[in-house]
Amino acid sequence: QVQLQQSGTELVKPASSVKISCKASGYTFTSNYMHWIRQQPGNGLEWIGWIYPGNGNTKYNQKFDGKATLTADKSSSTAYMQLSSLTSEDSAVYFCAREGELGAFDYWGQGVMVTVSS
Amino acid sequence: DIQMTQSPASLSASLGETVTIECLASEDIYSNLAWYQQKPGKSPQLLIYYANSLNDGVPSRFSGSGSGTQYSLKINSLQSEDVSIYFCQQNYDSPWTFGGGTKLELK
Repeated sequence: QVQLQQSGTELVKPASSVKISCKASGYTFTSNYMHWIRQQPGNGLEWIGWIYPGNGNTKYNQKFDGKATLTADKSSSTAYMQLSSLTSEDSAVYFCAREGELGAFDYWGQGVMVTVSS
Repeated sequence: DIQMTQSPASLSASLGETVTIECLASEDIYSNLAWYQQKPGKSPQLLIYYANSLNDGVPSRFSGSGSGTQYSLKINSLQSEDVSIYFCQQNYDSPWTFGGGTKLELK
């Protein structure tokens, strides 16, 4: 069965960076786009970008250009997102999600809560 | 960016009732519309893709319809486990965008 297992809760300081992971299993990692989505407290969902692990191609929401960097390691079937120059505005839950049928996100990770605080 | 306007923002309904949630896109998205259900503290789960296709394992009381810029999610015979927040999402054009969500509660 398809599973996306994300890394644990992060408490980080302002101006620092954090790298969160999303380990995929149960399918061919290189065959599906992996998306990242942000959900701020009490707010809706924002799409950050995607990576295609098969060739490493990426596409970002312009809003997150320079903030998020997406990478993937084919050998471990793991996708990563690095967030840089963190501020309190970046405190949120971050999800990875696999793109399935006709562009919808058919499997999601459990989410990683990132809290930016001094 | 394509704006997704979801209504209502909140909804209260009784068990067994039929509820409908609407989603309006700022431009034609050619049925590239998905619906998700999110329970508190959990990740969203895909219900409907391509406007009207039911995802595997989703109860048949859920259905989607619409075309162009107007879409809807209908839940027949509301069950207690349907209490959740529902989001629509367009995957026609980047950046993919979501509706603001509809919080469904029991009356």
